[in-house]
Parts: sequence; C-alpha cells; structure tokens
Amino acid sequence: KAGVTQTPRYLIKTRGQQVTLSCSPISGHRSVSWYQQTPGQGLQFLFEYFSETQRNKGNFPGRFSGRQFSNSRSEMNVSTLELGDSALYLCASQANGYNEQFFGPGTRLTVL
Amino acid sequence: AQTVTQSQPEMSVQEAETVTLSCTYDTSENNYYLFWYKQPPSRQMILVIRQEAYKQQNATENRFSVNFQKAAKSFSLKISDSQLGDTAMYFCAFMKQGGATNKLIFGTGTLLAVQP
Repeated sequence: KAGVTQTPRYLIKTRGQQVTLSCSPISGHRSVSWYQQTPGQGLQFLFEYFSETQRNKGNFPGRFSGRQFSNSRSEMNVSTLELGDSALYLCASQANGYNEQFFGPGTRLTVL
Repeated sequence: AQTVTQSQPEMSVQEAETVTLSCTYDTSENNYYLFWYKQPPSRQMILVIRQEAYKQQNATENRFSVNFQKAAKSFSLKISDSQLGDTAMYFCAFMKQGGATNKLIFGTGTLLAVQP
C-alpha cells in the first residue's frame, strides 16, 4: 500500500496570501488528522476529518479550515497568512478501529 | 485536558549502549493509548511502540521497550543496543480511547543523538 502523501512538499508565501495543502491518506483509511509543527509550539493538533465530517478541531483561529472529500483525501486552507503560520504541516491517516496514525512527509510552509 | 511532558530536550548515547527517554502525562481518563513516535532528521514520523493503558504488561518491539507506570502516569522508552539510525527526535503521545476523535497529544520531544 502506498503511504500518506502530501502536496506540495514546500511552499513559500507572503503575508496576507492564502494557501491550500493537500493530503492523500492510505487507501481504506477514512480518518485524516492535521498537525502543525513549529520549534516554539511543538506539535499541535489542528483538526480531524472522518467520512467528510470534521470530528474535532484544535485551538486555532478560524483562518485555518479544512475539508475531506468522498475519497478521503483532505485539504487544509490557511487564509490571510501571518509570519507565525510558518511551520511544518503534517497529515496523518488512521484506519477505523485501529489506534495507529500514519504520517505523511509534511508540507513545509514559509511565510515571508 | 490531557498534557504530555518530556523533560529531556536532548540526550546523547554511545552506539551499542542503552538509553531511556522519559515521559509523564496527565489525564483523568482511564482508557487511553500511549505512543512513542520517532522523527528522523528531514524524514517522516513513524511509530516506534504503543501501549494500551488497560494492559499491565509493558510493550516491547525488538530493541525498544517501555516502562508503563499507570498510577504514576509515567511512560518511558528504553532503547537497547543503540544504533546510529536511532538518531532522531522522539515524541511521546497520548490518545484517548473510545472517543469520537483520533486526536494525538504530543510532548515537546527529546532529540536523541547516537554517537559512533
């Protein structure tokens, strides 16, 4: 089985722009979670989608949003980018009934 | 709310030696999972080992084992016969069992350097 894939791998944006990141989970996995990783805040949960529904959301402003499609692929969007949004964004998928999350390689976002 | 604490930001060990990474957590839940994830430099995060809270027996995976002390809310990782490829950031993580979400709560990580 192919692993979790994330595109693009690297992004450079300027303040005020918006960005969309994509995640394709392992085939058959219906749960997709997103995490933000920064040197200062560590790994923080953004949100989780299961069967196209957001099940949980972390403590992030409304500029951070996401969605999941019927094929379980997920996207996250950040609008009005700020310098502090520079981070590695990780996506993880999980099979129903199992507790292991499989992580993608991440998208490194740099906001200038 | 659950929290995970890793008090060792960095550790170093000689190749073939044994090292123990510490993790404590706080929760009022009785049923949960604990994990150790490894993130090598510029590489993907992978699961090293997991522990179900309802199991008293400590989990082991080859050279990796845990010391799970539920009452003390402690979950340490022991790496035996350390190898250069073990050099990575190690994260301890908590997941509530049975909740309607698969949210992982991570500690701040321990950067382990294995020296030749």
